[in-house]
Amino acid sequence: DAGVIQSPRHEVTEMGQEVTLRCKPISGHDYLFWYRQTMMRGLELLIYFNNNVPIDDSGMPEDRFSAKMPNASFSTLKIQPSEPRDSAVYFCASSGGKEQFFGPGTRLTVL
Amino acid sequence: SQQGEEDPQALSIQEGENATMNCSYKTSINNLQWYRQNSGRGLVHLILIRSNEREKHSGRLRVTLDTSKKSSSLLITASRAADTASYFCATDRNYGQNFVFGPGTRLSVLP
Repeated sequence: DAGVIQSPRHEVTEMGQEVTLRCKPISGHDYLFWYRQTMMRGLELLIYFNNNVPIDDSGMPEDRFSAKMPNASFSTLKIQPSEPRDSAVYFCASSGGKEQFFGPGTRLTVL
Repeated sequence: SQQGEEDPQALSIQEGENATMNCSYKTSINNLQWYRQNSGRGLVHLILIRSNEREKHSGRLRVTLDTSKKSSSLLITASRAADTASYFCATDRNYGQNFVFGPGTRLSVLP
């Protein structure tokens, strides 16, 4: 298995633009997590899904953020409109039990 | 908050020495996990310890859990330069799949 796949690996955009981050979880895993990591705030859970259904989105910072999981093999995290304070590394992780498998992350820079 | 807090924030040791990192948390847990993150990479699961376990080993890693003190420790014996990374503890709530990560300990192993 290739592990959790995220794209793009790096994204540079201008304030106000829409950003879409993508994730392919490990096949067979029924949980998918989106995290954001910054120096100031550390690793924050944004949202997680179980069997494609959002279970806890209390970490989503505001309405500019949305996440979908249309099927078991794909999820997106969208920021619209983006702001400079959204600059961070965004990780996707999947799990079939308690252990979470993290993707390589997407480094987002909003200018 | 149930977030784990690692201590120390940073640790620098010589190759061959042992490294000990601590994690404290605030409310009761079912499971505690330790993860490692190399610079620019996603987190990698190291070990999980359940609330009814007191100690667990995996290779050069030894994890202890003291639920009465709400604390855990991660010991890396005979450290190597390749152990240089950030180490995070993650604690779960009493329900669900949601693990909350602490701010991490940055370990530097000097050759």
